[in-house]
Amino acid sequence: DSGVTQTPKHLITATGQRVTLRCSPRSGDLSVYWYQQSLDQGLQFLIQYYNGEERAKGNILERFSAQQFPDLHSELNLSSLELGDSALYFCASSVGTGALGEKLFFGSGTQLSVL
Amino acid sequence: DQQVKQNSPSLSVQEGRISILNCDYTNSMFDYFLWYKKYPAEGPTFLISISSIKDKNEDGRFTVFLNKSAKHLSLHIVPSQPGDSAVYFCAASAGDSWGKLQFGAGTQVVVTP
Repeated sequence: DSGVTQTPKHLITATGQRVTLRCSPRSGDLSVYWYQQSLDQGLQFLIQYYNGEERAKGNILERFSAQQFPDLHSELNLSSLELGDSALYFCASSVGTGALGEKLFFGSGTQLSVL
Repeated sequence: DQQVKQNSPSLSVQEGRISILNCDYTNSMFDYFLWYKKYPAEGPTFLISISSIKDKNEDGRFTVFLNKSAKHLSLHIVPSQPGDSAVYFCAASAGDSWGKLQFGAGTQVVVTP
């Protein structure tokens, strides 16, 4: 158990809908990261928050947004869903900023299926 | 633009033998390299890392080798055990890039008795 909690584990929805994925980091971790893993692909970095502020952004679509709340949990919002958004979404956390190769602790992921 | 590549999607090895996983990268700014291991229905877990100032890092049965001139790293598992059967991801970052790790597509390792 990494200590990172993601809910829900599975989500099935239709195209055009909006969903929210939730992540609780390990106790004491200030950074939260979101990654997307599509079929047969590696994890693609979406976005990082550190202590409530956005710190790094990857190839995150404009239809996607995230935030980190004062209690440090984070939510990833996906809107106007398309079939291609079907993927496994991972949340990770770390104590610091993630610089200098700091290791990340991953949750078990949310499997999103868009039908 | 895939900056980290794992060209072998799968590897089968006998228990007790050596497993060698390879990873290539294209971005010369990368200076930290990490390996993560993933079991089904779980998130990736950190295995071992190396910074660009080293060419080797060892942790028990796991050793990572870095060849900067070739932009290549490898993970050696000796001896391989059935519990090592998992997907292994290579990841890289530039030291000042916060937590923006670039991951390879992964290599599925199967250790047979």
